[in-house]
Amino acid sequence: AQSVTQLDSQVPVFEEAPVELRCNYSSSVSVYLFWYVQYPNQGLQLLLKYLSGSTLVKGINGFEAEFNKSQTSFHLRKPSVHISDTAEYFCAVSALNTGFQKLVFGTGTRLLVSP
Amino acid sequence: GAVVSQHPSRVICKSGTSVKIECRSLDFQATTMFWYRQFPKQSLMLMATSNEGSKATYEQGVEKDKFLINHASLTLSTLTVTSAHPEDSSFYICSARDKGWGNGYTFGSGTRLTVV
Repeated sequence: AQSVTQLDSQVPVFEEAPVELRCNYSSSVSVYLFWYVQYPNQGLQLLLKYLSGSTLVKGINGFEAEFNKSQTSFHLRKPSVHISDTAEYFCAVSALNTGFQKLVFGTGTRLLVSP
Repeated sequence: GAVVSQHPSRVICKSGTSVKIECRSLDFQATTMFWYRQFPKQSLMLMATSNEGSKATYEQGVEKDKFLINHASLTLSTLTVTSAHPEDSSFYICSARDKGWGNGYTFGSGTRLTVV
């Protein structure tokens, strides 16, 4: 079975500072990896995804993530955050042995951006 | 891009009544939709996979008779919480996948269910 670990439950950061949200996964088979953002009382919006190819993936709102197979990581980064980036961020994985059908989510990281 | 519409966004019901939540794919056909439950400040837990024209596949520990899922068309899946109790209060979210992986999964905006 697959699992996703987001070690940081909350990350406080000042506006315009860089940020990295960590994600590690566990799987014995090939995976697809995703980052989603959730604003209060809303559904999830896809930030970016890794399916194959280049390990550096660029997404919306200036976010990017790098797939590191040897470290089984898919950390999310942004060079300069805005107040509006305050939200909950979820890392998720889908795996070959489920036909890439099911998404398994991490526990989420709350990004708090202050002025 | 792909859009999934979920209704209602909020519902309050009395204990013992049933509530239906709709999930529609607006601009694409979704043979498979997924239903998640999210407790406050927690992650999303997959409840069931809804397949058009066939029975849903439920995750371990999810009561099939309490959470009825119907996927009667390629654009509509419904989740009915039957005989709701206060412990069923939660945030329910559906998602669907457009064919191919170009857009990944698209999520609905969620339904906040409060059972009083």
